Amino acid sequence: GESVGLHLPTLSVQEGDNSIINCAYSNSASDYFIWYKQESGKGPQFIIDIRSNMDKRQGQRVTVLLNKTVKHLSLQIAATQPGDSAVYFCAENLNSGYSTLTFGKGTMLLVSP
Amino acid sequence: EAGVAQSPRYKIIEKRQSVAFWCNPISGHATLYWYQQILGQGPKLLIQFQNNGVVDDSQLPKDRFSAERLKGVDSTLKIQPAKLEDSAVYLCASSLRTSGRETQYFGPGTRLLVL
Repeated sequence: GESVGLHLPTLSVQEGDNSIINCAYSNSASDYFIWYKQESGKGPQFIIDIRSNMDKRQGQRVTVLLNKTVKHLSLQIAATQPGDSAVYFCAENLNSGYSTLTFGKGTMLLVSP
Repeated sequence: EAGVAQSPRYKIIEKRQSVAFWCNPISGHATLYWYQQILGQGPKLLIQFQNNGVVDDSQLPKDRFSAERLKGVDSTLKIQPAKLEDSAVYLCASSLRTSGRETQYFGPGTRLLVL
């Protein structure tokens, strides 16, 4: 598969651990945030989203936390599995009336059995 | 439901040649996006269509890139002439509407290598 991790921040965890991936977003006017997972050779896949009027949202094994004060977003993955190994991107949407997304640089998650 | 389809999956060309990519969005999705993803970076929006009209093409290098969505369904992205720095993955995505909080669904991408 392609090597997308040449200059990406990398998080290495053991199977079963909890993972936390962080993202600093750029625009204080952004009102909608999404986490995407991208496996090697595939397009980004939606994981979870959160609106700016919330500070926490939970999905299946994933939780997103939003701290608007410091423009910080995090993705927590519980009981990380080898299948979670991928590059994770946060994306933000300005309250522009359009669905245009601006993506962050990405973090590679490596899960060891 | 079928996902976003893209073709070709891979393309190798020489600089100054032309290349075209095709995208078929999810059925019923009004909004279609083309992104460029350079190795090690996040996707960057090139152009966004609402039906067959352009919503945002501010980051499209219009001297060499063009895109169309004539019937409001599938779309083509063209590069003419290609440069070495155009080597990237070209991702197509679609969403149901163009409002601010729409989930975008991505295709597998076309991997372009310009030699």
